[in-house]
Amino acid sequence: SYVLTQPPSVSVAPRQTARITCGGSEIGSKSVHWYQQKPGQAPVLVVYDDSDRPSGIPARFSGSNSGNTATLTISRVEAGDEADYYCQMWDSYSGHYVFGTGTKVTVL
Amino acid sequence: EVQLVESGGGLVKPGGSLRLSCAASGFTFSSYSMNWVRQAPGKGLEWVSCISGSSSYIYYGESVKGRFTISRDNAKNSLYLQMHSLRVEDTAVYYCARAGSAASAEYFQNWGPGTLVTVSS
Repeated sequence: SYVLTQPPSVSVAPRQTARITCGGSEIGSKSVHWYQQKPGQAPVLVVYDDSDRPSGIPARFSGSNSGNTATLTISRVEAGDEADYYCQMWDSYSGHYVFGTGTKVTVL
Repeated sequence: EVQLVESGGGLVKPGGSLRLSCAASGFTFSSYSMNWVRQAPGKGLEWVSCISGSSSYIYYGESVKGRFTISRDNAKNSLYLQMHSLRVEDTAVYYCARAGSAASAEYFQNWGPGTLVTVSS
């Protein structure tokens, strides 16, 4: 089955930029989606279709996808961005959904 | 406003059964694929099952195939997950999640708060 690999943790200072990667074989040919999950809460969609943002998500959240790596970028990081982040894709051949391993973002 | 509310979680012994429900409101339920996603304590997200709006297409993750059954009642705006032969490793918070749009089922736009299922003797 398809595997999406994320770094376990990323640390970033306030007002700096955090980049979270999601690696997978030829992932650039697929659509990747990203979720933010704070402790004790349900996940929230922050980026879909590689780089689109749902309404209500700040423009500080952006996404890109090429080759074997998709990236979620959080600009001007705030304390409230501290959370777990998951990438996700849909395998059209099997009809299955795959989540990445998850990255904990810590704001220093 | 889209609302999804799960219910039916609880403590069950290994080998037992449980039925989860998800009540949906705020959108045309029959137009959207619906999913169950779970999260074991301290672990990541795991997709469990998906059902299309008309129930024509149903898919299961490998870890639950043959044990879990997804279904929906569009007249009642409700999604279900019947779980049999439960194992300790099925212990998790189970989320109900709606597809991104009526045209795209590739991602999960809305999530419920989740219901905890604990499998333990």
